[in-house]
Amino acid sequence: AQRVTQPEKLLSVFKGAPVELKCNYSYSGSPELFWYVQYSRQRLQLLLRHISRESIKGFTADLNKGETSFHLKKPFAQEEDSAMYYCALSQTGANNLFFGTGTRLTVIP
Amino acid sequence: NAGVMQNPRHLVRRRGQEARLRCSPMKGHSHVYWYRQLPEEGLKFMVYLQKENIIDESGMPKERFSAEFPKEGPSILRIQQVVRGDSAAYFCASSPPGTSQGDTQYFGPGTRLTVL
Repeated sequence: AQRVTQPEKLLSVFKGAPVELKCNYSYSGSPELFWYVQYSRQRLQLLLRHISRESIKGFTADLNKGETSFHLKKPFAQEEDSAMYYCALSQTGANNLFFGTGTRLTVIP
Repeated sequence: NAGVMQNPRHLVRRRGQEARLRCSPMKGHSHVYWYRQLPEEGLKFMVYLQKENIIDESGMPKERFSAEFPKEGPSILRIQQVVRGDSAAYFCASSPPGTSQGDTQYFGPGTRLTVL
């Protein structure tokens, strides 16, 4: 069965410091991995997905199939990055998403 | 485009009553997904619908829960005889025709259901 694990419920970093939000998954097929973000008082929205291989708002995430990980990274955190971040997976041939429990990132000024 | 709309935003029901949650997808979108978020947990998939069809209901509880997406009007998630354990945030998402694995889902603001 598929599973998405985000081991950190809370993460605090200082402004300008590097940030890494961890995500591990278990799935035997070919998954698609996503990071969704929810800023305060806003709805959940897509941040990035691994198939795009792009950097959004300075964030990148690399799919490591050997370690079954999809960690989200940013070299220099900004205050506006403070939000709830969810890692999600979709299975081969399916559209629905499986979410991790989320990590609340706080960037300290 | 107003985005995915959900109403009501907050719903309070007493045990045994029925709850109806509505979701209007983004304009032009024909795929709707419902997710439930219990306190301290991530969003959990419930059901995936296209117009007039249920495509995947593998995440729906076997009893009391049903969903529809009629040809006209919003998608509705119905919970009959609610119990306290149904208290949660229910999110709807939509995606355009031709959606496949890896495509973006657009989320609504959610409906927070409280069962007294």
